[in-house]
Amino acid sequence: EMQLVESGGDLVQPGESLRLSCAASGFTFSRYWMIWVRQAPGMGLEWVANIKQDGSEKYYVDSVKGRFTISRDNAKNSLYLHMNSLRAEDTAVYYCAKGGAGVFEYWGRGTLVTVSS
Amino acid sequence: DIQMTQSPSSLSASVGDRVTITCRASQGISTYLNWYQQKPGKAPNLLIFAASASQSGVPSRFTGSGSGTDFTLTISTLQPEDFATYYCQQSYSTPYTFGQGTKLEIK
Repeated sequence: EMQLVESGGDLVQPGESLRLSCAASGFTFSRYWMIWVRQAPGMGLEWVANIKQDGSEKYYVDSVKGRFTISRDNAKNSLYLHMNSLRAEDTAVYYCAKGGAGVFEYWGRGTLVTVSS
Repeated sequence: DIQMTQSPSSLSASVGDRVTITCRASQGISTYLNWYQQKPGKAPNLLIFAASASQSGVPSRFTGSGSGTDFTLTISTLQPEDFATYYCQQSYSTPYTFGQGTKLEIK
């Protein structure tokens, strides 16, 4: 059975850092683009970043460029999102998803990041 | 960035109704348009990709159409489990952008 399980969400203060992880199972992780999408409380969906199968291409939404880094470890079937200089507006549920470059075929249940002093 | 605009933002309907949700892109995106369903407290679920292709396991009552800038998602006969929020999303270019969502409620 296919599974994506996010972890690492927490309550942090503005300016702090956090690393999210996504553990994949039930499919060949190295064959798929992987994606992070977030959803602020009561709001819509926002694509954050995605990474090619071999990690050679990475793309980000402008609001996180220079602060967030997406990475993957195909040997560990894991996806990561390193988040620095966190802001209140980064507060959201962060979902990882598998798919093509722009189609999000399957999603995890998400992990909540709260940025507040 | 490509802006995606859905209409209506909310919709009340009854079980058995036929419902159509519209999505408009701020520029032409060919058929790089996907639809997702999200229920409260749950992750989104892909329904339709490439404007009209059904994801595996999605009931046939969900159909998508359109190309260029105008797209529709139609639910032919509403079932109780279809009451949810629906999002369109363009996969034509980064940043990949979503519509604001259409909340489908029970009348």
